[in-house]
Amino acid sequence: LAKTTQPISMDSYEGQEVNITCSHNNIATNDYITWYQQFPSQGPRFIIQGYKTKVTNEVASLFIPADRKSSTLSLPRVSLSDTAVYYCLLGGATNKLIFGTGTLLAVQP
Amino acid sequence: GAVVSQHPSRVICKSGTSVKIECRSLDFQATTMFWYRQFPKQSLMLMATSNEGSKATYEQGVEKDKFLINHASLTLSTLTVASAHPEDSSFYICSALGQRQNTYNEQFFGPGTRLTVL
Repeated sequence: LAKTTQPISMDSYEGQEVNITCSHNNIATNDYITWYQQFPSQGPRFIIQGYKTKVTNEVASLFIPADRKSSTLSLPRVSLSDTAVYYCLLGGATNKLIFGTGTLLAVQP
Repeated sequence: GAVVSQHPSRVICKSGTSVKIECRSLDFQATTMFWYRQFPKQSLMLMATSNEGSKATYEQGVEKDKFLINHASLTLSTLTVASAHPEDSSFYICSALGQRQNTYNEQFFGPGTRLTVL
């Protein structure tokens, strides 16, 4: 399975837009990109998923360039409750998800 | 929709005890479920893929005789930690494979089970 690389941590302040970029240079043709959020002692929670270009839902946007070797999760106007670990994952035919280190986002007042 | 539950949420047991954790998809059927383990301040590690009606597929390094998985119905998979020892203490998380509208296949995660072996 293709590996993903994300920053280990990011800091932000309430009300700011946060962009977390994930690198996946070896993404396969049938891989789609999914982002999950995890709070301590809880299971991961789905945020957004896409294959190419841009996807937007009620909580986030996902930007995927044409070569699909990276993707950027955009969280508009973060709040303290958005402090969590964010994982970028590739899913394909096997449906297996291999979690990387994730990005610990710390939102401060 | 697409809710996954786990039971128990927390278990404390003595060394040598076998512990069973249940994972249920409450409002959808899941042919495939996954089991993960997460140690403190670490990422999730995939342990095995559980397919209804067949044997589970274990990831490299995961002892199948230690972590027994049964997926007897489309809504229930169980993980039994046989003869648990303190090093098995961890956060165990299951997921069920489903599909939300306008998405590809998605794993819906349970809330996790905290196992502490004394």
